[in-house]
Amino acid sequence: NAGVTQTPKFQVLKTGQSMTLQCAQDMNHNSMYWYRQDPGMGLRLIYYSASEGTTDKGEVPNGYNVSRLNKREFSLRLESAAPSQTSVYFCASSVRQGNQETQYFGPGTRLLVL
Amino acid sequence: AQTVTQSQPEMSVQEAETVTLSCTYDTSESDYYLFWYKQPPSRQMILVIRQEAYKQQNATENRFSVNFQKAAKSFSLKISDSQLGDAAMYFCAYRSHNAGNMLTFGGGTRLMVKP
Repeated sequence: NAGVTQTPKFQVLKTGQSMTLQCAQDMNHNSMYWYRQDPGMGLRLIYYSASEGTTDKGEVPNGYNVSRLNKREFSLRLESAAPSQTSVYFCASSVRQGNQETQYFGPGTRLLVL
Repeated sequence: AQTVTQSQPEMSVQEAETVTLSCTYDTSESDYYLFWYKQPPSRQMILVIRQEAYKQQNATENRFSVNFQKAAKSFSLKISDSQLGDAAMYFCAYRSHNAGNMLTFGGGTRLMVKP
């Protein structure tokens, strides 16, 4: 049981390049999330998927697209990377148990856009 | 919109001593959840403790406990018998009961543990 996995761990892009960040979870969770973390700030939600086949915008969705490929996988795409998208990206998934819902996070992807 | 504020960018504690990390939040809701997450240098976010707003009793998990003051909108984390492995960034987070599963995070507090 690997939990939440993310690839790659680190990526350098040039402005205007595109790339997809991959996330997978093996815990059979319905909900998945993408966050970004910038220095001095807490994590901010980019997009989330409450269930397979659905996606919704979070707090900072501009410049990103997502795909909930199946229940396990939730990818984040940057179509035209900008230096402002230099950040650490976290994927998470969650499960509801009774009235409690807990999010489990992946190890993060560090992205540098030059 | 809800906001979460952690007013201490950095804290330091001697090994085996007790430290308290502060968190305040702003909301107009009465039903919500609060969390403390730990982020070690590995960057993975690890859930430390959670509190349901409708519960008056403060949550505890081994050496970790919270002081939840609903009227004051305060949610502090107390770490007892601090260990070197407790050194990390700590994030306070809020989740509405009604607005799906979205977490709103504070800016974090870096905890250093001195041997």
